Amino acid sequence: GAGVSQTPSNKVTEKGKYVELRCDPISGHTALYWYRQSLGQGPEFLIYFQGTGAADDSGLPNDRFFAVRPEGSVSTLKIQRTERGDSAVYLCASSSPGLARNEQFFGPGTRLTVL
Amino acid sequence: KQEVTQIPAALSVPEGENLVLNCSFTDSAIYNLQWFRQDPGKGLTSLLLIQSSQREQTSGRLNASLDKSSGRSTLYIAASQPGDSATYLCAVKQSNAGKSTFGDGTTLTVKP
Repeated sequence: GAGVSQTPSNKVTEKGKYVELRCDPISGHTALYWYRQSLGQGPEFLIYFQGTGAADDSGLPNDRFFAVRPEGSVSTLKIQRTERGDSAVYLCASSSPGLARNEQFFGPGTRLTVL
Repeated sequence: KQEVTQIPAALSVPEGENLVLNCSFTDSAIYNLQWFRQDPGKGLTSLLLIQSSQREQTSGRLNASLDKSSGRSTLYIAASQPGDSATYLCAVKQSNAGKSTFGDGTTLTVKP
C-alpha cells in the first residue's frame, strides 16, 4: 500500500508480558517516528530514526522500551515487563527529510491494553 | 522546551458557520507547523503544512496561518459541515531532522 501501516491494530496483554509493535513506513521514507497517545491528549514523542540509527530516543520513558529499524525500513517497538500505565495508542509516522516540506504521514496506530 | 497549546479544547457549532481553531507555541524558532485531523479511533490525517518562511496555506475550505513572532497559528474552516466533526491537532517541528511537539487538540462538533 501507499501509506504507513501498523500491526497489530489492537493488542491486549497482561501486566508483566513482553509485546512487539510493528511499523511499515512509506516506501523511500528515511525518517521514522514513534509516538504514544493517551486518551484526550496529543501524541507524545518516543523515538526518531534516520535510516537504521536512532537519531533521538529522548522520549522513551524508561529502559523497558526499545525500538529497532535494522534495515532502514520496517521498525519494531518493543516493550518489556508491560505495566498498566503503558496502555495507550502507539502511532508511527514516516517522512522524507530530503524534501523541503518534510511532511509527516501517520499510520492508523496500535491500541495497546495492559490488563 | 517547546510547549504547544490549543484553545478551546472543545467547540460545537451549527452547520454552515465559519470557525477558527487556535494553536500557540512557546519557542518561535520552528522549522514547520502541521495541522492534522483525527477521527475517533483513527490515526492522524495531514491537512496543511506551513513552512517557517510562509504566512499561510490553503486547501479547499481550510486556511492555516502562521505568525512566528507571536508564536501562533490559526486554522480557519469555512462553511463548516457535519463531516468536519473530528479532533484537530497542531504539531510544531523545530528542525528538519527531528520530532514534532503536539498540542492536545480541539474537538470540533458540527451540528446539522
